[in-house]
Amino acid sequence: NAGVMQNPRHLVRRRGQEARLRCSPMKGHSHVYWYRQLPEEGLKFMVYLQKENIIDESGMPKERFSAEFPKEGPSILRIQQVVRGDSAAYFCASSPPIDLGRGLDETQYFGPGTRLLVL
Amino acid sequence: DAKTTQPTSMDCAEGRAANLPCNHSTISGNEYVYWYRQIHSQGPQYIIHGLKNNETNEMASLIITEDRKSSTLILPHATLRDTAVYYCIAAYGQNFVFGPGTRLSVLP
Repeated sequence: NAGVMQNPRHLVRRRGQEARLRCSPMKGHSHVYWYRQLPEEGLKFMVYLQKENIIDESGMPKERFSAEFPKEGPSILRIQQVVRGDSAAYFCASSPPIDLGRGLDETQYFGPGTRLLVL
Repeated sequence: DAKTTQPTSMDCAEGRAANLPCNHSTISGNEYVYWYRQIHSQGPQYIIHGLKNNETNEMASLIITEDRKSSTLILPHATLRDTAVYYCIAAYGQNFVFGPGTRLSVLP
């Protein structure tokens, strides 16, 4: 069973360009989460999505950032007009559908991340 | 979500057990305790989780106190490859909050 896949693994953009980060969840998982990790810092939650729905975007910057998880295909984190402060590692995680039999145990499994560098 | 506190760093001799503590004194009854680790700049790796009972898997053991206000992750025979930052998270549902974690250094 393949794990969470992210691509590209490394992305270089110039200021003002757009960055698109893709995440394919584990097979059978319908929940996707995006986190950002700045250098020498911990992971910060950005957004939680289910298929075609944004459930919680409380950690997303108000401008330039958007995320989607379409019915078909990977989840996309999109950053418009990137600035140097967007340089970071972006991690995606996935979890299986809620199973009331195990309560709200929603263990998240992480991908390898995308390292974004804005020049 | 409950705030967790962990030591900033710890050392452990190779081959010995590594015991990583975590305090979560404000944890609520439905919050699980999760442990992850991050080696270098890789993606966080799931280790183990539990609610009330102690848990063991092929990687580690998790000891949760009876009042659930603290827990300990035990790596029974630490190897150099266990050097990483270890994160303890107390969460209900999907709201994972990562603190700074404990930087474990396994020494030869």
